[in-house]
Amino acid sequence: DAGVIQSPRHEVTEMGQEVTLRCKPISGHDYLFWYRQTMMRGLELLIYFNNNVPIDDSGMPEDRFSAKMPNASFSTLKIQPSEPRDSAVYFCASSWGGDKYFGPGTRLTVT
Amino acid sequence: DAKTTQPPSMDCAEGRAANLPCNHSTISGNEYVYWYRQIHSQGPQYIIHGLKNNETNEMASLIITEDRKSSTLILPHATLRDTAVYYCIVRVRGKLIFGQGTELSVKP
Repeated sequence: DAGVIQSPRHEVTEMGQEVTLRCKPISGHDYLFWYRQTMMRGLELLIYFNNNVPIDDSGMPEDRFSAKMPNASFSTLKIQPSEPRDSAVYFCASSWGGDKYFGPGTRLTVT
Repeated sequence: DAKTTQPPSMDCAEGRAANLPCNHSTISGNEYVYWYRQIHSQGPQYIIHGLKNNETNEMASLIITEDRKSSTLILPHATLRDTAVYYCIVRVRGKLIFGQGTELSVKP
């Protein structure tokens, strides 16, 4: 298996633009997680899904953030409109039975 | 939710054992202890996890005290590639909440 795949790896956008981050979990995994990492706040759990259903989105910062999982092999995290304070590395992770496997992350820069 | 406490940084000589401590004094009976590490610019990497018994795999050993209030991750022969931030996490209801971790520097 190729592991968790995220795209794009780097995104630079202007304030106010819509940003969509994509994730393909490991095949067979039934949990999918979105994390955000910054120097100030470390790794934060934003939202997670089980069997494509959002279970806990209490970590989503505000309504500008939304996440979907239309099927077992794909998830998106969307920020609309983006702001400079959204600049961070966004990680997607998937798991089955507990051990989480993280993707390489998407480094987002909002100018 | 249980919280973990780790020293912010540690040094270890190459080839020696690295012992990384973690306190989780409020852990509940059904909560697992997980260890992850993050090498610069990469995603976190799973190392090991345990509930009550000590665990060992090809990467490390996990020693959990009998009262489960603390644990130690042991890298038996640290290499320069083990330089990373090591996170001790208590998993609750499927969620891993990362703390600040311990920045381990392995020095030649």
